[in-house]
Amino acid sequence: QKEVEQDPGPLSVPEGAIVSLNCTYSNSAFQYFMWYRQYSRKGPELLMYTYSSGNKEDGRFTAQVDKSSKYISLFIRDSQPSDSATYLCAIPTGNQFYFGTGTSLTVIP
Amino acid sequence: SQTIHQWPATLVQPVGSPLSLECTVEGTSNPNLYWYRQAAGRGLQLLFYSVGIGQISSEVPQNLSASRPQDRQFILSSKKLLLSDSGFYLCAWHSGNNNEQFFGPGTRLTVL
Repeated sequence: QKEVEQDPGPLSVPEGAIVSLNCTYSNSAFQYFMWYRQYSRKGPELLMYTYSSGNKEDGRFTAQVDKSSKYISLFIRDSQPSDSATYLCAIPTGNQFYFGTGTSLTVIP
Repeated sequence: SQTIHQWPATLVQPVGSPLSLECTVEGTSNPNLYWYRQAAGRGLQLLFYSVGIGQISSEVPQNLSASRPQDRQFILSSKKLLLSDSGFYLCAWHSGNNNEQFFGPGTRLTVL
């Protein structure tokens, strides 16, 4: 079983929609969870970073962790064409990082 | 603030040729450094990471090698490229004091 699993999509939504991106993980000891956004032909950029359970909000983005289900989510409200990118979840452990395979999102104007 | 550089941005090389990709980090000391490869439509594959000068951990057996000659410099090399080495190569750094990892702009390598 992989440490982190992510639905690759692709996901296509109209502008203004609420987007839900999800990952599951295998190890209940994981405590830190991150989301990266990667535009085409660019390096991933850190979008949000959460610790343990609960929600963290940053503008139109909300990261949610459900440790009982080992499930992490990223919600995007009022999605914009500029949100079109690949989103990767990531979990750090020591000096290594486990990454999901990424979900490709297209927001259609 | 910290900055990470990679070059070249794009590279086209024939099969069997050597490779050298360079990564440098500014604005931090003693970072953990990483090389990843991202094939089209696939996730990030960790190739090497380094916690200090001359210290290299290899995650995947392959014809690539890495070196860290200076604290903030990380080099990815190959003596003879294979077609399967094509991909998007990303360098990343991690301070070790927190859990955030930051990526460079990447090098797109095409082996023909």
